[in-house]
Amino acid sequence: ETVLTQSPGTLSLSPGQRATLSCRASQSVSSTSLAWYRQKPGQPPRLLIYGASSRATGIPDRFSGSGSGTGFTLTISRLEPEDFAVYYCQHYGNSLFTFGPGTRVDIK
Amino acid sequence: QVQLQQWGTGLLKPSETLSLTCAVYGGSFRGYYWSWIRQPPGKGLGWIGEINHTGTTNYNPSLESRVTISVDTSNKQIFLRMSFVTAADTAVYYCTRTPITGNTVNVFDIWGQGTLVTVSS
Repeated sequence: ETVLTQSPGTLSLSPGQRATLSCRASQSVSSTSLAWYRQKPGQPPRLLIYGASSRATGIPDRFSGSGSGTGFTLTISRLEPEDFAVYYCQHYGNSLFTFGPGTRVDIK
Repeated sequence: QVQLQQWGTGLLKPSETLSLTCAVYGGSFRGYYWSWIRQPPGKGLGWIGEINHTGTTNYNPSLESRVTISVDTSNKQIFLRMSFVTAADTAVYYCTRTPITGNTVNVFDIWGQGTLVTVSS
């Protein structure tokens, strides 16, 4: 089983600032099977990025994903009020879906 | 627009069986896997298992002995049953969709609203 770790656990930033979130896999994974989600309080997660770097339908271009192998990054270029939330990375491999523990982005 | 609507028993006693239903509205049932994912209060996400329209299933090995996912294709519904629940099974349970083909395979592109299930004596 591939274990995903995310850092930092919490990121305190101001609106308009840039956010950089990290997701590390315990072994090399295919970029095609790495995704990112945003979860606002009281809501289900929403798909942001699939295939490590492709934005899902309706996702603004301030969100970008990058990385390969064991290290992946989600970047939010300018934080909007709705971006203060929890972000999860997710992997699929060997018929098993796994999630990282999440990074909380809160208002500084 | 595809919507997933979920319902089921919200309060259970230890050792009882959890039963949830997810109905698919406004879209195709074929061409997707349908998963259940849960989230304990204040914690992260955990995948439970998935099923497609033919009834082919995949389960998380950590839960497989207690979980059954089934499907009613004619009514576009997916069912989750989890036996012998404990307080550790207290969570919000989500129904989700995973495309089988296209660019967004192996991700959860549509989510239900979630159902809180509490296990308490």
